[in-house]
This record gives sequence, C-alpha cells and structure tokens, in this order.
Amino acid sequence: DAKTTQPNSMESNEEEPVHLPCNHSTISGTDYIHWYRQLPSQGPEYVIHGLTSNVNNRMASLAIAEDRKSSTLILHRATLRDAAVYYCILSLMDSNYQLIWGAGTKLIIKP
Amino acid sequence: DSGVTQTPKHLITATGQRVTLRCSPRSGDLSVYWYQQSLDQGLQFLIQYYNGEERAKGNILERFSAQQFPDLHSELNLSSLELGDSALYFCASSALDSPYEQYFGPGTRLTVT
Repeated sequence: DAKTTQPNSMESNEEEPVHLPCNHSTISGTDYIHWYRQLPSQGPEYVIHGLTSNVNNRMASLAIAEDRKSSTLILHRATLRDAAVYYCILSLMDSNYQLIWGAGTKLIIKP
Repeated sequence: DSGVTQTPKHLITATGQRVTLRCSPRSGDLSVYWYQQSLDQGLQFLIQYYNGEERAKGNILERFSAQQFPDLHSELNLSSLELGDSALYFCASSALDSPYEQYFGPGTRLTVT
C-alpha cells in the first residue's frame, strides 16, 4: 500500500506560517494527495487536496513536489484554533480512491 | 458544524451484544462513509454507500454491516461485540461518488465492557 510519512509532532508560534511536510515516495501517477485535520474531540475536517499542481483555498495551500514524492501543507498564519492533528492522506485509484490514513502530525501552536 | 449528525454520542454495552449507530448526511450528499478510530489503529475506512448502494468496502469485519436508506441516512450495525470493538465510529458524507471532500460527523464513542 502507498503510505505517507509525517513528523509525529511540530510546534509553531501563533500568527506565523506553518509548513507541514509529508513524504509519499511510493505514490503512483493517479493517486491524489489529501490533507485533513482533527481538532481535539472532533471529527476530521477536510483541508485541501491535489493531484499534481499546487492548490490554494481559504484554509491553506498545498505545495506538491515536481516528482510528487512529497508535499507540504502551508498554513499562512497559524492561530490557536489551528492546533490539531494534521493527516496527509493518499487516495488510491486501485482502491476506488478511498482514503488511506496515516498517523498524522500533531501541531502545537504557542501563543 | 459539518452538517453530518450521528446518534448516539456515547454507547456503553457488554460483550456479545449488538448495537446500531445512525448517521444523517449533509443535505444533498449522496455518499456516506463509515470509519473506525481506535487508539492503536488510527482511522480505518469501513464501508461506503452511494445513493443506497454499497460502493466500496474497507477493513470491515463480517460481524459489522451497514445500509443506506432511501432518505439517505445510514446505519452501522455491530454484532457479537468484543472488547476490541471499543472505538470512535465516524460517519462522513460527500456530494458525489468521490471521497475527495468528505464532511465528518462528531462520532459515536462505543465502549464494550
């Protein structure tokens, strides 16, 4: 199975940008990259997804490496409300594009 | 608020019992997904329904079953419960037959004693 590798945890200061890395060296050409986050005691929340090109939305930006073996989720100005576990996920064509979840990165925001 | 509702919020039951978890998707969403989140396994995809039909199966045990009704709500049935089935069960919905942007409910915490 294609897998993702993320740091267990990261710390960042409030109101500064945050770059969350993800490695997915076994990704195939048709696999999508997704990011979800899970705030404490809540269900996961969709953040962003992409295939090849960089993507932006109101929550974040997704930068995908040219070889697609890694990607970075960018939160442009972190707030305390962004403290959560961030999951980098692949959806595989072979499995009807179901999401394959990893362990995630726990993001700690310092005031 | 994602618009996805799940009931009950908490459920405590004994081994060997059967329970039913209920999910109402966001208005207009045709796809429903069920996930299990336990401390040692993380989030595991169980099953997907699209407009009443089973679309994809993940790591769902034979003791578990699900269905999606004509009004698009879904139920997850767990039977012959074991201690290891204690977990958070999430339902998610999406507009299309695509998992790209899923909206998750608050979850049902199942405790098997």
